[in-house]
Amino acid sequence: QITLKESGPTLVKPTQTLTLTCTFSGFSLTTRGVGVGWIRQPPGKALEWLALIYWGDDERFSPSLKSRLTITKDTSKNQVVLTMTNMDPVDTATYYCAHRRGWYYYMDVWGKGTTVTVSS
Amino acid sequence: QSALTQPASVSGSLGQSITISCTGTSSDIGGYSYVSWYQQHPGKAPKLVIYDVNYRPSGVSDRFSGSKSGNTASLTISGLQAEDEADYYCSSYTSSSTLEVFGAGTRVTVL
Repeated sequence: QITLKESGPTLVKPTQTLTLTCTFSGFSLTTRGVGVGWIRQPPGKALEWLALIYWGDDERFSPSLKSRLTITKDTSKNQVVLTMTNMDPVDTATYYCAHRRGWYYYMDVWGKGTTVTVSS
Repeated sequence: QSALTQPASVSGSLGQSITISCTGTSSDIGGYSYVSWYQQHPGKAPKLVIYDVNYRPSGVSDRFSGSKSGNTASLTISGLQAEDEADYYCSSYTSSSTLEVFGAGTRVTVL
């Protein structure tokens, strides 16, 4: 059974850097084709892609946020870490991590999400 | 502004069928068979209900079906039930980005 869980601060100040960790089980990020992605959802708004990392270290980023994002993986800990610099109140959202199976274009299992508020 | 266009809301009575549309371009929906649909109940994470246009993941009710014609994909929910009341998001591979694009979401209300 695949599970993912997001963790990180619930409150960050403007201009600070956000660091979120996705801890997963039930699969390995050393398996060919597997990926873990981050998607966010501002309150009352739509889903928005942030970043995706594949088993082979291939990284994908939202073009509009690429300059602010870093994604890394630690296969020994079964974790994927997302950092977002220069946080702004518009970045207030629920942040989800999710699993990608093989060379497909969908996320088949999602974490429950973690809510991040950006405020001074 | 989302790259894929969905109606803001769709409603139907218990037992009826409803269809949610998702319109894109030839660079996404029209050009590839990589459309997926997600169901999201209030306060919950999204759940995959359709992938690759018309495939259902294991455990998803066969009341959910997907299709595509030209640049428009559709999600049909037949035999509408109370638990189908949720937001639904479409997503598609796009040649314009290295990540897929989402629609703005459709709120389904069961009358």
